[in-house]
Amino acid sequence: QQPVQSPQAVILREGEDAVINCSSSKALYSVHWYRQKHGEAPVFLMILLKGGEQKGHDKISASFNEKKQQSSLYLTASQLSYSGTYFCGTVSVFGNEKLTFGTGTRLTIIP
Amino acid sequence: DTAVSQTPKYLVTQMGNDKSIKCEQNLGHDTMYWYKQDSKKFLKIMFSYNNKELIINETVPNRFSPKSPDKAHLNLHINSLELGDSAVYFCASSPGGAGYNEQFFGPGTRLTVL
Repeated sequence: QQPVQSPQAVILREGEDAVINCSSSKALYSVHWYRQKHGEAPVFLMILLKGGEQKGHDKISASFNEKKQQSSLYLTASQLSYSGTYFCGTVSVFGNEKLTFGTGTRLTIIP
Repeated sequence: DTAVSQTPKYLVTQMGNDKSIKCEQNLGHDTMYWYKQDSKKFLKIMFSYNNKELIINETVPNRFSPKSPDKAHLNLHINSLELGDSAVYFCASSPGGAGYNEQFFGPGTRLTVL
């Protein structure tokens, strides 16, 4: 079962904030976030390990609630370059080193 | 200077044919992967190799056979291609296990089966 992301798609104006959620039915060891632009390969953004940490990467940050098996990606003051499809990926506690990607969230930033 | 490279970038072929996709990484990573991205953009793991040994083999038809001649290369051979095999196939690598390592993706191979 792949993690479920919400929303499926979102359109924002430049400068607005966005939150993308990722929810898993399994106990998680780690959550990974990737961004994929149209016609390109996924590119790594960040990893959050078990421990409920929050990470930041410029104006993009994320949190991981291991009890709820959920993670959220926060994009602040969005830029045109943030457009793309965002995927969370999860590795379960009892997993076999397998990264399972979520359903994806398409983010479109308009000027 | 390409970290993870794949060939070919595009592959158009008839049903029933056999084809191969090659992947090479120059990052010195121990682990390599094959993913399939379908028309709905779902990214699904197919295989994972660590130091030439198969460690993940998802429920993939046995028409798909990966081969890792050395830890820098992971090739994918597909026999008797079917329409449903049409997808973008991504190779990726990471320095260690998937749990705590970033994965570096190749540019993808778009396979179209007619």
